[in-house]
Amino acid sequence: NAGVTQTPKFQVLKTGQSMTLQCAQDMNHEYMSWYRQDPGMGLRLIHYSVGAGITDQGEVPNGYNVSRSTTEDFPLRLLSAAPSQTSVYFCATQQGTTIYFGEGSWLTVV
Amino acid sequence: RKEVEQDPGPFNVPEGATVAFNCTYSNSASQSFFWYRQDCRKEPKLLMSVYSSGNEDGRFTAQLNRASQYISLLIRDSKLSDSATYLCVPFSDNYGQNFVFGPGTRLSVLP
Repeated sequence: NAGVTQTPKFQVLKTGQSMTLQCAQDMNHEYMSWYRQDPGMGLRLIHYSVGAGITDQGEVPNGYNVSRSTTEDFPLRLLSAAPSQTSVYFCATQQGTTIYFGEGSWLTVV
Repeated sequence: RKEVEQDPGPFNVPEGATVAFNCTYSNSASQSFFWYRQDCRKEPKLLMSVYSSGNEDGRFTAQLNRASQYISLLIRDSKLSDSATYLCVPFSDNYGQNFVFGPGTRLSVLP
């Protein structure tokens, strides 16, 4: 009964390093998305995918890449980490008006 | 104007108190509305949907005023376990970004 699984839960990166946040779901939902959440701000959409092979930019896509080779997986790649990318990242799936979040990944860039 | 505005709080209330949160949204095309609850360092979880006629779920009452683009959440008989951040979330049937999350209102219920 996993739902949406994100890894890692915590990560510290140095400026300029790259890394990938993993997201996997077992609900066979077509729609998946990545959000970031910063203090005093709502969750902001980074990238989303409406199905395997299809990705699109959200509100704050700069500095991030995604791919969707399978329905199950939707990794988020930070190309060259910057301190401004210190945040909490949530992966989510959606079916209709129901959204299912992963438990979050806490990323600190120093 | 931000798409979704909420009073950030914190609202510090004693146990048993009644507290109300307000939310305004700018997208008149929003079709559905939700309140999510987020505990510290956790993912948001659906608290309740907001129906146009207003709806109640136990101690929680949600109201919607489409003309004023305003949503409210009332919590009666507050419990310590109600301490959390409450996110107002309008939904529209757009391709891509359907949900727009408000910044949240923080509630602390004190013993």
